Amino acid sequence: QVQLQESGPGLVKPSQTLSLTCTVSGVSLSSGSYYWSWIRQHPGKGLEWIGYIYYSGNTYYNPSLESRLTISVDTSKNQFSLKLSSVTAADTAVYYCARVTPHPEEFDYWGQGTLVTVSS
Amino acid sequence: AIQMTQSPSSLSASVGDRVTITCRASQGIRNDLGWYQQKPGKAPKLLIYAASSLQSGVPSRFSGSGSGTDFTLTISSLQPEDFATYYCLQDYSYPFTFGPGTKVDIK
Repeated sequence: QVQLQESGPGLVKPSQTLSLTCTVSGVSLSSGSYYWSWIRQHPGKGLEWIGYIYYSGNTYYNPSLESRLTISVDTSKNQFSLKLSSVTAADTAVYYCARVTPHPEEFDYWGQGTLVTVSS
Repeated sequence: AIQMTQSPSSLSASVGDRVTITCRASQGIRNDLGWYQQKPGKAPKLLIYAASSLQSGVPSRFSGSGSGTDFTLTISSLQPEDFATYYCLQDYSYPFTFGPGTKVDIK
């Protein structure tokens, strides 16, 4: 059974770096069959695709965040991570990780989400 | 980026009603569109992929249609557990973009 779980600080100060990890169970990140994605949802708002990564390290980022964004993968821990630098209050959101089955792209398994608040 | 719009933004319906939600893309996206259901405090759930393919385990009362720029999600007979917000997502080109959502609540 595939499961994803986000973890990381719930509070980040402005100008600092937001760091989250998604731990995956039930499937190996190095299986090569999936992409691993981050999506966020501002409070009371819609969904925004942040980007995703393939097990090989190939990444695809949303241009609106690309200058501040790093997504990486650690196959030895079966985890992938998100780092978003120079955060502001506008980065306050629930952050979800998800598995993407490609061609067609199906976001078929999601973590429960974690709220990150940017505030001093 | 491709812009996605949805209509209506919200609707009120009764159990047993047929419900139709529309999603429109700002340019043609073939059939590269998915539909997701989100309940309060929960992660989105995939219902439909490739515009009309039903995700495994999703009830057959959900169906999708369309290609190009215009797409539809239909719930043939609304059930109590279907009250939620529905989002479309285009996966035709980067960055992937979601529609703004359609909230379905109880009349």
